[in-house]
Amino acid sequence: EIVLTQSPGTLSLSPGERATLSCRASQSVRNDDVAWYQHKPGQAPRLLIYGSFSRATGIPDRFSGRGSGTDYTLTISRLEPEDFAVYYCQQFGGSPALSFGGGTKVEIK
Amino acid sequence: QVHLQESGPGLVKPSQTLSLTCSVSGASMSSSRNCWNWIRQPPGKGLEWIGYICDGGTTSYNPSLRSRLTISIDTSNSHFSLSLSSLTAADTAVYYCARDARRKQALTRITYFYGLDVWGRGTTVTVSS
Repeated sequence: EIVLTQSPGTLSLSPGERATLSCRASQSVRNDDVAWYQHKPGQAPRLLIYGSFSRATGIPDRFSGRGSGTDYTLTISRLEPEDFAVYYCQQFGGSPALSFGGGTKVEIK
Repeated sequence: QVHLQESGPGLVKPSQTLSLTCSVSGASMSSSRNCWNWIRQPPGKGLEWIGYICDGGTTSYNPSLRSRLTISIDTSNSHFSLSLSSLTAADTAVYYCARDARRKQALTRITYFYGLDVWGRGTTVTVSS
């Protein structure tokens, strides 16, 4: 079973700062099929990144993803007020077929 | 524009079976490039993938729910459904349906995943007597 561990649990930052979120897999993710989602209260999650680094349609270029094997990172280069939310990584192709990390909350400092 | 909408009871009694439906509009469900997923979020917790179904009926379930779970699809009427039996309070959650995008490369037969790209707004299910 692939377990995704996200860190930190909470990130306290100010608008304009850089956010770096980590996702570590317990075993190598097949094809580096890691996606990242943004989730705000009362809303559906929003796909940001797929294939570890490809931005989804309409996602601003301040969001970037990288990584391979077991270590993946989502970076938000300059936080905008609307970026404060919970972020989840997700893998595809392991066992189970899909799974999510526990999430990182990005909050206003 | 693709739109997904969950429907079902908001309150279910323990030991009963939950039935939810996700209605799909703006897209064909008969595509090898998409499968149709259920995800849930218990109060105060993170997202949990429940399972998916693809056109043709291929399914994949979260092992932790497999013994209680059935996902079905009706492409002609543009919806897919979840049935979860033997409910307990631990099944209380917001339930989301979502489409995923994927492509199987003909030569290598490797499936590449392009994310859960369209989500419903979610429906709250409470398990309580």
